[in-house]
Amino acid sequence: DQQVKQNSPSLSVQEGRISILNCDYTNSMFDYFLWYKKYPAEGPTFLISISSIKDKNEDGRFTVFLNKSAKHLSLHIVPSQPGDSAVYFCAASGTSGTYKYIFGTGTRLKVLA
Amino acid sequence: GAGVSQTPSNKVTEKGKYVELRCDPISGHTALYWYRQSLGQGPEFLIYFQGTGAADDSGLPNDRFFAVRPEGSVSTLKIQRTERGDSAVYLCASSSGTSNSPLHFGNGTRLTVT
Repeated sequence: DQQVKQNSPSLSVQEGRISILNCDYTNSMFDYFLWYKKYPAEGPTFLISISSIKDKNEDGRFTVFLNKSAKHLSLHIVPSQPGDSAVYFCAASGTSGTYKYIFGTGTRLKVLA
Repeated sequence: GAGVSQTPSNKVTEKGKYVELRCDPISGHTALYWYRQSLGQGPEFLIYFQGTGAADDSGLPNDRFFAVRPEGSVSTLKIQRTERGDSAVYLCASSSGTSNSPLHFGNGTRLTVT
C-alpha cells in the first residue's frame, strides 16, 4: 500500500508564478517530512524538511506547509524559475528513527519561460 | 566536500549473471541506505546500515539480494542470478545518522538486465 502519495504526476507553471506541489500520507506515525528535487541522470537532492511539531518551514523561495489533521503537506515555490523544472518527491519517516524514508511517486514540474 | 559516489554509473548484464554495485558514502556519515527506483516510481527502500550492521533489510525483495558494509564506510549491493525485473536505478544515500538528518543521494547505478 502506498503510504505517501503524490496524486499529480505533472504540473506546468509559468515563470514567475507560484508552483504548488501536494503530498498526502496515510501513516499517522510519520513525524518528519522532506522534499527532494531530481534532475535526469542525477540522484535526488534534498530541498527542505519539516518536523510534525511545526506547520510551516521556509527557506528562500521554498516553503513547506504541513496539515497534520488532513495528513497533507505541500511545497510552494515562488517565484518559479525555469531551473526549477525537475521531478519533486516528498518523503516521510516515523517516530522510530530517521531511517526508512518512504517516498512518493513524484511530480514532474515544468516551469515555462 | 565529496558527495556520495556510486560505481559503475551504468551496468548491463545478462539474465542469470551476478552483479555488484558499489557505494562510497560521505566521509563521517554513519548511516547508509540503498534504494531502488523504477521508471515512473519513487525511490523504494531496500536496506539501511548503521555502522557495519544492517539495521533494517526489510526492503530487500528476495534472497538474491544482499548488501554488506564491512568497515562501516563503503557498501556493496550484490544481486545473484539477475532477472529482467531487477532492471532499475539503484540509489545509495548516506546521512549523519542523527535524528531527522536528511539523506544525501548519489547519482545511482542504472542496471539493465537483458
